[in-house]
Amino acid sequence: AQSVTQLDSQVPVFEEAPVELRCNYSSSVSVYLFWYVQYPNQGLQLLLKYLSGSTLVKGINGFEAEFNKSQTSFHLRKPSVHISDTAEYFCAVKVVGGGSYIPTFGRGTSLIVHP
Amino acid sequence: KAGVTQTPRYLIKTRGQQVTLSCSPISGHRSVSWYQQTPGQGLQFLFEYFSETQRNKGNFPGRFSGRQFSNSRSEMNVSTLELGDSALYLCASSLGTGSEQFFGPGTRLTVL
Repeated sequence: AQSVTQLDSQVPVFEEAPVELRCNYSSSVSVYLFWYVQYPNQGLQLLLKYLSGSTLVKGINGFEAEFNKSQTSFHLRKPSVHISDTAEYFCAVKVVGGGSYIPTFGRGTSLIVHP
Repeated sequence: KAGVTQTPRYLIKTRGQQVTLSCSPISGHRSVSWYQQTPGQGLQFLFEYFSETQRNKGNFPGRFSGRQFSNSRSEMNVSTLELGDSALYLCASSLGTGSEQFFGPGTRLTVL
């Protein structure tokens, strides 16, 4: 079975500073990787995904993530955050193949952007 | 194109009661999945329906059940509510199994 660990439950940062949200996964087989964002009182929105190919993945809202197979990591980065980026961020993993699209989610990282 | 809608958005029930939550997927989407989100357990998969058939099921007791109608709308039912069932219940739809999921805003259930 696969698992996801988000190393930080909360990340405070000042506006316009860079940020990195860390995600490590564990799986005995190949996986797809995802980052979702959840704003207050809303559902999850897909930020970006890694399926194959280039290990640097660019997503919406200026976010990007790098897949590192040797370190089993998929950290999310943004060079300059805005107040509006304050939200909960979830990393998720799904086993390659199979007929289902059921990802396993991490516990989430709360990004708090201060003015 | 309208997104995934869930009704009601908020619900308060008492222990022992039952509740039904509804999810309308994006038009054309045939797969609907349900998740429970709590501060303690995070996001946990409940079940997935595709073309009115349950395809996958998570590790939840039999009190949690669901169904999907011919128009792909889905309902989730929880019987004999417990305090621990208080959570945000999220529905996600996709074109089919293996396709990207799109999430609704959720139904926040509070059990008193």
